[in-house]
Amino acid sequence: AQSVTQPDIHITVSEGASLELRCNYSYGATPYLFWYVQSPGQGLQLLLKYFSGDTLVQGIKGFEAEFKRSQSSFNLRKPSVHWSDAAEYFCAVGAPNNFNKFYFGSGTKLNVKP
Amino acid sequence: GAVVSQHPSWVICKSGTSVKIECRSLDFQATTMFWYRQFPKQSLMLMATSNEGSKATYEQGVEKDKFLINHASLTLSTLTVTSAHPEDSSFYICSARGDGWSSYNSPLHFGNGTRLTVT
Repeated sequence: AQSVTQPDIHITVSEGASLELRCNYSYGATPYLFWYVQSPGQGLQLLLKYFSGDTLVQGIKGFEAEFKRSQSSFNLRKPSVHWSDAAEYFCAVGAPNNFNKFYFGSGTKLNVKP
Repeated sequence: GAVVSQHPSWVICKSGTSVKIECRSLDFQATTMFWYRQFPKQSLMLMATSNEGSKATYEQGVEKDKFLINHASLTLSTLTVTSAHPEDSSFYICSARGDGWSSYNSPLHFGNGTRLTVT
């Protein structure tokens, strides 16, 4: 069965520090992978996605993610975090045979210390 | 950019009553909308796919008679939680894909969610 694991429920980093949010997936075929961000009171916004090709994907707001098939991971990174990055981040896996079906991780809440 | 409006943002109702949640695409036509449910500290779980002009497709384990979905126009889908009980308390989120979108290259636009509390 498909699943997405975000092992870190909460992460706190200092402003200006680097960030890495972990995401591991379990999927039998080549996955479609996504990262979404949800700010308080807001909807989910797509940060980036991976379908195929270059395994390092650039997204909006300075985020990037790297697909590592051998580790079944799709970790999100940012070299220097800004206070406005404080939000909840969701990793999602898409089912190639049903493009409407997403499997979301449980989310990682990011706090940014001044 | 494309906006999905979800209303209300929060609602408290008594056990046994019904609650309707609206999901509107404000600046695009959405032939397909999706309804998710999110429990605290858990994943968003897809409940159903709402198709304009036809019946919704429910995920396994989701009660069709409990969660009524209507997608009567290209810009509006509604989720009605019928005879709500405390265990239905949750965060409900809708999303929409625009008219003609048919692949992952088209983004999903999410509403801000509705916090339902059943007392």
